[in-house]
Amino acid sequence: AQSVTQPDIHITVSEGASLELRCNYSYGATPYLFWYVQSPGQGLQLLLKYFSGDTLVQGIKGFEAEFKRSQSSFNLRKPSVHWSDAAEYFCAVGPFGNEKLTFGTGTRLTIIP
Amino acid sequence: NAGVTQTPKFQVLKTGQSMTLQCAQDMNHEYMSWYRQDPGMGLRLIHYSVGAGITDQGEVPNGYNVSRSTTEDFPLRLLSAAPSQTSVYFCASSSSYETQYFGPGTRLLVL
Repeated sequence: AQSVTQPDIHITVSEGASLELRCNYSYGATPYLFWYVQSPGQGLQLLLKYFSGDTLVQGIKGFEAEFKRSQSSFNLRKPSVHWSDAAEYFCAVGPFGNEKLTFGTGTRLTIIP
Repeated sequence: NAGVTQTPKFQVLKTGQSMTLQCAQDMNHEYMSWYRQDPGMGLRLIHYSVGAGITDQGEVPNGYNVSRSTTEDFPLRLLSAAPSQTSVYFCASSSSYETQYFGPGTRLLVL
């Protein structure tokens, strides 16, 4: 069965500091990996996705993620966070068709001035 | 394109009542899914569809029914609402290799 673990429930970062959100997955086949962001009361917005090829993927809003097959990880990074990055972040894994994603429990990001 | 639309935005039900959450997409996507989001649990898949006339169960299907008579619509039915179904419900659609697009969500409160 597929699963996603986001070990950090809540992270607090100073504005301008770097950020890394952790994601570990378990999947029996080639994983298709995603990071979504959710602002309070809003739906989910895709930050980036990995299907194949280059293991370092660039997304929107200056985010990037690195796929490491040997570690079953897909960590999200940003070199310098902005106050507007405060939100909840979800990592997800799914099959080729994307019709049934498995989500992690999310990491809530707080930005302090 | 309106993308993925969901109605209603918010609903209050009494235990035992039935209702249908509507979901529609105008992107001609073959895949559609329903998730529920509960605090500390992320999103969990309820039901999904890979095309008109084809549906299957996800992780938490009990208490919910779906059907897909057209490509555009994928309604979620609660036959007899229970307090445990209080949640935020998201509909999503996608095509192969493509991103899942999410609707704005429906907040459901069952008293």
